[in-house]
Amino acid sequence: DAGVTQSPTHLIKTRGQQVTLRCSPKSGHDTVSWYQQALGQGPQFIFQYYEEEERQRGNFPDRFSGHQFPNYSSELNVNALLLGDSALYLCASSSAEGGQFFGPGTRLTVL
Amino acid sequence: SQQGEEDPQALSIQEGENATMNCSYKTSINNLQWYRQNSGRGLVHLILIRSNEREKHSGRLRVTLDTSKKSSSLLITASRAADTASYFCATTLGGFGNEKLTFGTGTRLTIIP
Repeated sequence: DAGVTQSPTHLIKTRGQQVTLRCSPKSGHDTVSWYQQALGQGPQFIFQYYEEEERQRGNFPDRFSGHQFPNYSSELNVNALLLGDSALYLCASSSAEGGQFFGPGTRLTVL
Repeated sequence: SQQGEEDPQALSIQEGENATMNCSYKTSINNLQWYRQNSGRGLVHLILIRSNEREKHSGRLRVTLDTSKKSSSLLITASRAADTASYFCATTLGGFGNEKLTFGTGTRLTIIP
């Protein structure tokens, strides 16, 4: 049984570009949460998707958007990239019964 | 914004010694969890303690929670080189399953062989 998977592992973009990150949840999980972790900091909650809708959102601008597909996988989109968007982006999947399981993350570098 | 802070920010000990990390938070919580992160990769869940619990054990891990002081501590006994990692506490306001996690700033633990 595969755990949470994320792609790509690393990504380099330039300012102003757009990026899409992908996450496949652990089998049996229906909820996906996204977190941003800047270097040397703890992860910060971006948003959570359940039943293909955004259920909760953290303090992130509208440049950050997401989507959840019928198979529960999810995408995180960031538009008009800024240097400050450089970070490790973590996806976590969960169900009502259990805790949150994290993927290995996608490291985004904005030049 | 971060919910809390871990203390110390960095800790280096000899293999075999015990390591203690502390976490303070700001608001009332439902539960507090500790995670480990190796080399800036994914987070591994270690242990959860609910707001009505004071102490919990799991293998070499011991967690305490003092809701009156809004603080928690993680003790790792008989440390091993493989315990070298960053450790984060995270709080939730609701149930364990789907509530968003609010993380602290982390403690970077180095075990010296």
